Amino acid sequence: SAVISQKPSRDICQRGTSLTIQCQVDSQVTMMFWYRQQPGQSLTLIATANQGSEATYESGFVIDKFPISRPNLTFSTLTVSNMSPEDSSIYLCSVEDLPGGSYEQYFGPGTRLTVT
Amino acid sequence: GIQVEQSPPDLILQEGANSTLRCNFSDSVNNLQWFHQNPWGQLINLFYIPSGTKQNGRLSATTVATERYSLLYISSSQTTDSGVYFCAVTSGGSYIPTFGRGTSLIVHP
Repeated sequence: SAVISQKPSRDICQRGTSLTIQCQVDSQVTMMFWYRQQPGQSLTLIATANQGSEATYESGFVIDKFPISRPNLTFSTLTVSNMSPEDSSIYLCSVEDLPGGSYEQYFGPGTRLTVT
Repeated sequence: GIQVEQSPPDLILQEGANSTLRCNFSDSVNNLQWFHQNPWGQLINLFYIPSGTKQNGRLSATTVATERYSLLYISSSQTTDSGVYFCAVTSGGSYIPTFGRGTSLIVHP
């Protein structure tokens, strides 16, 4: 199964600034996903990132606010731009892997963001 | 899109007790996974179980796809079982999972 790391693990940021979160996978994967989890809530998909193409954003999320890069099959970044306190969340990177021939989803450890 | 409902939303147990968590879904599914989110936020894969029954130590899961539900059993609960348990499904031609709202479990020593 895929092993995923994220950096930073947590950060406290000032309103109006931007933070870039990195996601590294130990194997090549086609599809990577970025999720947001607001306090006490379930996971909400921000976008799907495929290598070599523009990310596909879900309703309510826009590229100007959450630009995503996917330069190769093992790495992606998510930037949270012009942050406000409402952006305080856990941001999770995820991939789909085929450990037993069926797609399973695996998550990174998450980035806990607090905006003051 | 498919709807996923988990119950109960909250559960408090004494260490050693058994529990059953339920996941109902509104349509046929291709994939179904159970995750445990520990208090540090890490999501851990428990089971990939679109149908049938699986067991892993004190945990087991059963999915009855024809009746559109899945159950997660936790036996002899331990304080380390505390956290939030999520069910996630994919259906139709979508590869993007839909998550339930989760069951928050607290196990007291």
